[in-house]
Amino acid sequence: SSELTQDPAVSVALGQTVRITCQGDSLRSYYASWYQQKPGQAPVLVIYGKNNRPSGIPDRFSGSSSGNTASLTITGAQAEDEADYYCNSRDSSGNHRVFGTGTKVTVL
Amino acid sequence: QVQLQESGPGLVKPSETLSLTCTVSGGSISSYYWSWIRQPPGKGLEWIGYIYYSGSTNYNPSLKSRVTISVDTSKNQFSLKLSSVTAADTAVYYCARENYDILTGYSYFQHWGQGTLVTVSS
Repeated sequence: SSELTQDPAVSVALGQTVRITCQGDSLRSYYASWYQQKPGQAPVLVIYGKNNRPSGIPDRFSGSSSGNTASLTITGAQAEDEADYYCNSRDSSGNHRVFGTGTKVTVL
Repeated sequence: QVQLQESGPGLVKPSETLSLTCTVSGGSISSYYWSWIRQPPGKGLEWIGYIYYSGSTNYNPSLKSRVTISVDTSKNQFSLKLSSVTAADTAVYYCARENYDILTGYSYFQHWGQGTLVTVSS
């Protein structure tokens, strides 16, 4: 079982803001990275570190962290943001990588 | 632009060994951590393990007894072997490059292959 827990599904109205959370003890010590995955496609990195976006990722995506929880926020969600989102960080030992359970985001 | 491409059999028999290769183009395999990640149909992502270009490895404890990851720097390739497979190993297998910044501690999978479906069935 994953050591990083995410809500299975969230929905957001077009143009509104949605926050996706990732909980795990290791997040007190390590940053999370976030990935967007659309059906039939490989995951795409959207946020890493404290709050860094790779080139080409819209600035409506942002990241934050507090205690044992990392968050990905989409401000002004667009139809194309409908996807599965996964966090990734270390496990509780700090030695291995682990993915969160994933959150399906639906844009209404 | 770095590109990764997985290759290998799409069908493996139960109890046999799954073998995949990832070819890296547009950049050198030297430096960086090179990972294998899988996703069973309809399920989430699972990190399998990584190899550093120097050859050091790190595996998911749940798969460690069955996994071997190796690297061939002369071919800019790294490979995955998973032994004694069962139907539970049926998944899309991705290779990915992990960036690790020792100064900030940031680590993240910046580049991914397109993935290859491996089915375990007799």
